[in-house]
Amino acid sequence: DAGVIQSPRHEVTEMGQEVTLRCKPISGHNSLFWYRQTMMRGLELLIYFNNNVPIDDSGMPEDRFSAKMPNASFSTLKIQPSEPRDSAVYFCASRQTGVAFFGQGTRLTVV
Amino acid sequence: AQKITQTQPGMFVQEKEAVTLDCTYDTSDQSYGLFWYKQPSSGEMIFLIYQGSYDEQNATEGRYSLNFQKARKSANLVISASQLGDSAMYFCAMREDLQGAQKLVFGQGTRLTINP
Repeated sequence: DAGVIQSPRHEVTEMGQEVTLRCKPISGHNSLFWYRQTMMRGLELLIYFNNNVPIDDSGMPEDRFSAKMPNASFSTLKIQPSEPRDSAVYFCASRQTGVAFFGQGTRLTVV
Repeated sequence: AQKITQTQPGMFVQEKEAVTLDCTYDTSDQSYGLFWYKQPSSGEMIFLIYQGSYDEQNATEGRYSLNFQKARKSANLVISASQLGDSAMYFCAMREDLQGAQKLVFGQGTRLTINP
């Protein structure tokens, strides 16, 4: 298996633009997590899905953030409109039981 | 409330020495799991070791071991014979149950630097 795949790896966008981050979990994993990592706040859990259903989105910072998981092999995290303070590394992780495996992350820069 | 606490923002250790990275956790669940991840400067998150709350033996994986003290709610990572390549950020994480599903929360991390 190729592991958790995130795209794009890097994204630079202008303030106010819509940004969509993508994640393909490991096949057979039924839980998917989106995290945001910044120097100030560390690793924050934004939202997680179990069997494609959002279980807890209390970490989503604002209504500008939304996440979907239309099927077991794909999830998106959308920011609309983006702001400079959204600049961070966004990680997707998936697990079946036991260990959660992380993607390489998407480094988002909003200018 | 902070669920996972890592009190050491940074640590400096001489190569070949053993190092202990501290982690305490807070949960009222009886069933939970504790994890350690390594994040080198390249940015990826690498799983190191796992301890289940019902595991009686401390987990070990090569040079990594987890010093699990359930009554104290601590799950310290011990790295034996440290190497230069061990320099990285280390995160402690806990799996907790929520509505039948399980989420993973992380501590703030400890930056470990191995000196030659």
